[in-house]
Amino acid sequence: LAKTTQPISMDSYEGQEVNITCSHNNIATNDYITWYQQFPSQGPRFIIQGYKTKVTNEVASLFIPADRKSSTLSLPRVSLSDTAVYYCLVAPDSSYKLIFGSGTRLLVRP
Amino acid sequence: NAGVTQTPKFQVLKTGQSMTLQCAQDMNHNSMYWYRQDPGMGLRLIYYSASEGTTDKGEVPNGYNVSRLNKREFSLRLESAAPSQTSVYFCASRNEMVYEQYFGPGTRLTVT
Repeated sequence: LAKTTQPISMDSYEGQEVNITCSHNNIATNDYITWYQQFPSQGPRFIIQGYKTKVTNEVASLFIPADRKSSTLSLPRVSLSDTAVYYCLVAPDSSYKLIFGSGTRLLVRP
Repeated sequence: NAGVTQTPKFQVLKTGQSMTLQCAQDMNHNSMYWYRQDPGMGLRLIYYSASEGTTDKGEVPNGYNVSRLNKREFSLRLESAAPSQTSVYFCASRNEMVYEQYFGPGTRLTVT
């Protein structure tokens, strides 16, 4: 299983774009990259998933370089409600053993 | 659709007591999961069930047992609770078509 490394915490201000990078140097060919968001006292919530290049949805964008050894979650124009912990998860599409890393604690200030 | 439901929401146990945490999903997902989350920490996988009738150990299975009762229900049992098992327990199921996990609201367990 690919090990992931993320910054422990990040600070931002309302209206800014936030980029959170996850390092996964030993990613395997059939691994997908998935990001989750967790608010205090709630279970994590799926944000976005990708395999290569760029994926965008109504919430975020996910950038994956050609070597796939890292990925960047981009949150455009964050608001106070984006304050949460963000987890990067790397696993094969066929795997059921889904292990979360420590996550990145994002604090958005007014 | 209720999604993933967990009972109870809160529980206080004394050391050595036993209890079962219940989880159910109504999304017809095959795979289900139990995680624990200690204060200020990330989630750790306890057990998972790829399909009805199968269960496998995760990262931290010691002190726990699970039962996949049917496709909808996946329970977690603490046979002899210890203070180290004080945590928030999350159940999840996964949509295999898009590999997305759906989490329940959690059970907050305190062992004194």
